[in-house]
Amino acid sequence: EAGVAQSPRYKIIEKRQSVAFWCNPISGHATLYWYQQILGQGPKLLIQFQNNGVVDDSQLPKDRFSAERLKGVDSTLKIQPAKLEDSAVYLCASSSGPLGNTIYFGEGSWLTVV
Amino acid sequence: QKEVEQDPGPLSVPEGAIVSLNCTYSNSAFQYFMWYRQYSRKGPELLMYTYSSGNKEDGRFTAQVDKSSKYISLFIRDSQPSDSATYLCAMSDNYGQNFVFGPGTRLSVLP
Repeated sequence: EAGVAQSPRYKIIEKRQSVAFWCNPISGHATLYWYQQILGQGPKLLIQFQNNGVVDDSQLPKDRFSAERLKGVDSTLKIQPAKLEDSAVYLCASSSGPLGNTIYFGEGSWLTVV
Repeated sequence: QKEVEQDPGPLSVPEGAIVSLNCTYSNSAFQYFMWYRQYSRKGPELLMYTYSSGNKEDGRFTAQVDKSSKYISLFIRDSQPSDSATYLCAMSDNYGQNFVFGPGTRLSVLP
């Protein structure tokens, strides 16, 4: 079974530029998550989709971050304009159910803002 | 007080040692408790999960939950260099909502 795919793996941009990350979840997984993990910290949920509807985006900085999940499959996370404090790993995860014991993570997209 | 607290380490042990990793939490609504392992430059992978209080064993790994103390533990027996990673505890309520990670403990097992 293919895992959660993410791209690009690494990105370096200047502050105030924009960046987009793509995620392809495990086939058949209805729930998709985007997490932000700053070095030395645990992942923090940015947004959770159930199919193509948003379940939770309470911690998404909506003035600069946006996310969409087209047709309930792939998803993109965009940051515009980027700030230095956005340097982090952006983890996409998918789940076959609502409970945490079924969440599978991708390898992450590493963003450095200079 | 943070919702989930975990000693960040780093924790260094010799090969073959028993490792104890711990988390404390404040939200009594948490019912599901997970441990994830994260290797450098990789995403977290689920190691174990338990529901409510009690113990669960899987090979060299044992997870314990004490809800009365709001304290969970992961024990690793006969630790190996390949166990060197960051270990993240995570928990959620009964409906899978309010899913929260601890900050992680970095473990190094020295050969």
